[in-house]
Amino acid sequence: DSGVTQTPKHLITATGQRVTLRCSPRSGDLSVYWYQQSLDQGLQFLIQYYNGEERAKGNILERFSAQQFPDLHSELNLSSLELGDSALYFCASSPQGANEQYFGPGTRLTVT
Amino acid sequence: AQKVTQAQTEISVVEKEDVTLDCVYETRDTTYYLFWYKQPPSGELVFLIRRNSFDEQNEISGRYSWNFQKSTSSFNFTITASQVVDSAVYFCALSEPGLLNQAGTALIFGKGTTLSVSS
Repeated sequence: DSGVTQTPKHLITATGQRVTLRCSPRSGDLSVYWYQQSLDQGLQFLIQYYNGEERAKGNILERFSAQQFPDLHSELNLSSLELGDSALYFCASSPQGANEQYFGPGTRLTVT
Repeated sequence: AQKVTQAQTEISVVEKEDVTLDCVYETRDTTYYLFWYKQPPSGELVFLIRRNSFDEQNEISGRYSWNFQKSTSSFNFTITASQVVDSAVYFCALSEPGLLNQAGTALIFGKGTTLSVSS
């Protein structure tokens, strides 16, 4: 158990809908990262937050947004969902001053 | 641009065989970090090791060992006496250094190598 929690574990929704994925980092970790894992694209970095502020953006679509709250949990919002958004979404956190990231169990999103 | 290449898509071995997973990386940074992660069939990503670019010492942890060679931009992972429980997808990753005592940076992953160990 990495100490990073993600909810829900599975999500099935229809095209055009909006969903919110939630992540709680390990105790004391200020950095939160979101990644998408799909068969064709592999593991891709989406966005990073550090202590409530956006720190870096990767291949994140404009339909996707995220935020980190004062209690350091983070939410990833996916809107106008398309079939191609079906993937495993991981959240990770890292200790301050360290580079290794600890991953949550992931949320498997299926868009039908 | 940073890039990680894991040329071996799938490897199949029989229990007790040794197996080496290859990882080649590209970066213009002089300081960087390399990682290996394991993704078992259950799906979670498990951190195995982090290596700094300025530390080329090989590392051994039980049946696992890592060979970092800056001259060939490689960071290979060897499992000795493989076991069925080693069956998983293994990812090599690269990152830039984060700001001192602050945030880390995003991981750039390779495509992964699927290791199947049969009994």
